[in-house]
Amino acid sequence: KNEVEQSPQNLTAQEGEFITINCSYSVGISALHWLQQHPGGGIVSLFMLSSGKKKHGRLIATINIQEKHSSLHITASHPRDSAVYICAVSSGGGNKLTFGTGTQLKVEL
Amino acid sequence: DGGITQSPKYLFRKEGQNVTLSCEQNLNHDAMYWYRQDPGQGLRLIYYSQIVNDFQKGDIAEGYSVSREKKESFPLTVTSAQKNPTAFYLCASSQRGGKPPAEKLFFGSGTQLSVL
Repeated sequence: KNEVEQSPQNLTAQEGEFITINCSYSVGISALHWLQQHPGGGIVSLFMLSSGKKKHGRLIATINIQEKHSSLHITASHPRDSAVYICAVSSGGGNKLTFGTGTQLKVEL
Repeated sequence: DGGITQSPKYLFRKEGQNVTLSCEQNLNHDAMYWYRQDPGQGLRLIYYSQIVNDFQKGDIAEGYSVSREKKESFPLTVTSAQKNPTAFYLCASSQRGGKPPAEKLFFGSGTQLSVL
């Protein structure tokens, strides 16, 4: 069993829909990261959180430490949100991350 | 603009050949990392460096080598000992690295390595 599990693996949505991507982990963590990988391959860090909730524009990330679960929400989705969204956790010391396999999101007009 | 530059974008390796992937950052970050990405798998750590002239093996270091002679540069060499080198390689950096608390990572745009 992977230490970081994401669901769904693939998601197709219509423009304007509310999207949720889930991440569950099995180890104690110091922080959880949500990353976005565009078709060209580059990765951008969206959020790093260790408790509660963070919001940036149309993106919201939440984490429940007791349940070892995090969600990434996208409100009013747009085709430009189409990307792979990756969950990663920091455990042990520093920045050694364990990555999920990613959720491929496609938002259609 | 500050960032991480990886080159080349695409690289081809012949049998028995060593190839070097470049990673340069102008963020003044202490820590740098190399990850490998294979289809259907999460990123895996190859090597990381928390300070100049020092680096540590990650989870899949066999067949790879690195150097950290300058703060800005962390090149990765894929040696002929790496029998399955075809993958997407990502370089990243963080401000301090190594010790808690966790930090945000900054990534390059990646290099796709293929075997001829």
